Amino acid sequence: DVKVTQSSRYLVKRTGEKVFLECVQDMDHENMFWYRQDPGLGLRLIYFSYDVKMKEKGDIPEGYSVSREKKERFSLILESASTNQTSMYLCASSARQGGNEKLFFGSGTQLSVL
Amino acid sequence: GQQVMQIPQYQHVQEGEDFTTYCNSSTTLSNIQWYKQRPGGHPVFLIQLVKSGEVKKQKRLTFQFGEAKKNSSLHITATQTTDVGTYFCAGRRYNQGGKLIFGQGTELSVKP
Repeated sequence: DVKVTQSSRYLVKRTGEKVFLECVQDMDHENMFWYRQDPGLGLRLIYFSYDVKMKEKGDIPEGYSVSREKKERFSLILESASTNQTSMYLCASSARQGGNEKLFFGSGTQLSVL
Repeated sequence: GQQVMQIPQYQHVQEGEDFTTYCNSSTTLSNIQWYKQRPGGHPVFLIQLVKSGEVKKQKRLTFQFGEAKKNSSLHITATQTTDVGTYFCAGRRYNQGGKLIFGQGTELSVKP
C-alpha cells in the first residue's frame, strides 16, 4: 500500500515563527500536493509539484512556499506563521496517469498558531 | 472562490434511511472523483467517473456523472453506522493541468 507520512500529527507555533511541514511518500509518485482543510470550505490546494525541483501555485498560495529537492519529499513552509493559518494540513501524492490520477493522503497535521 | 459546490453540508439520518450528496461545477469537468473521510481520518479514494452519464455502483453506493459532465451525485441506500464520515467530490477541469478541485464535503451522521 502507498504510504504518505506527515512528520507531525499536531503542531503548536507562535505568530511570526517559521514553520516547516514535512511529507514523505514511499511509492515513487511523481505528483505531490499540499491542501489545507477548514470546516465548511473543504480541501483547498496550496501548492503542488509534478517533478523534483518543480512547483506550481494552487488556489491559496499566499503566505506559503514549498520545496521539493527529492522525489519522495515535499515540504510546506510558512515563512511567518499567522493565526489565520491555523488549520489541518494534508499532503497527498499520486502517480502520473494522464489526468486520471487518484490521490493518496497522509494523516494530516493539525497546526495551531497562537 | 469555490468552483465545485457540494450540498448539503450536513446530513443526519436514521440507520436504514437513504442518503444523497450532490456536486455541481460551473464548468465542464474531464472527470470527477469521490473520497470518504472517516472522523479523525484522512480522505480515501472511492471512485472516479469519466464518461458523460456514467453510473457506477459499489455495494450500497451509487455514483452518477451528469450528461453535461458538470454535476455528480453519490447515493447510499440503507445507511449503516459504518457509513459515517465526510464525503468529498473532486473535479478535474480540462484546462487546469490535471489538478483536482474539491467540493466543501457533506458530513454524514447515522443514528443507530
